[in-house]
Amino acid sequence: NAGVTQTPKFQVLKTGQSMTLQCAQDMNHNSMYWYRQDPGMGLRLIYYSASEGTTDKGEVPNGYNVSRLNKREFSLRLESAAPSQTSVYFCASSEVRVQVNTEAFFGQGTRLTVV
Amino acid sequence: LAKTTQPISMDSYEGQEVNITCSHNNIATNDYITWYQQFPSQGPRFIIQGYKTKVTNEVASLFIPADRKSSTLSLPRVSLSDTAVYYCLVGRVTNDYKLSFGAGTTVTVRA
Repeated sequence: NAGVTQTPKFQVLKTGQSMTLQCAQDMNHNSMYWYRQDPGMGLRLIYYSASEGTTDKGEVPNGYNVSRLNKREFSLRLESAAPSQTSVYFCASSEVRVQVNTEAFFGQGTRLTVV
Repeated sequence: LAKTTQPISMDSYEGQEVNITCSHNNIATNDYITWYQQFPSQGPRFIIQGYKTKVTNEVASLFIPADRKSSTLSLPRVSLSDTAVYYCLVGRVTNDYKLSFGAGTTVTVRA
């Protein structure tokens, strides 16, 4: 049972390069999320997708785009990487039912360095 | 989402009980209280969730007073492996559920 899988695990980019972080979940969850975590900081929500076909901005969406490709996959794209985007990126998913709180499952993270 | 306030850090020793209190003065009627744990270099994982009174599982207990304006996560007899960041989240689940984390509490367990 894989849960939430992120690729790649590590990446070094040069300023201005683009890349896409991939995330897939095998739990048939409706909701998926992308977070970033800077050293010594908590998680900040970048984008989330409440269901297939919908996406919405979180706290820090600037410089990122997302695609909810299907129910399983939610990708995060950096069009022109900047050193300020050096961070650890986490993808998560959860099964959301109104009035019933459920737990979120996280991937192992992608450690991105922009030089 | 209700704003939460929790201590930045706490130190403890092996075998002790650790209690982390989270304040959420503007909690709404339909809000749940959820705690996550994050080990270094890993994603957060769900620990426990509650609405009122007390909830206990194999990992922790969650105490919620009647006014629900605060909650306390209790970790019994901690070990070195309990060293982690603990996050308190308060919110209600809707069709458009945004899972937002604060800074968390860094718990360091020493031998």
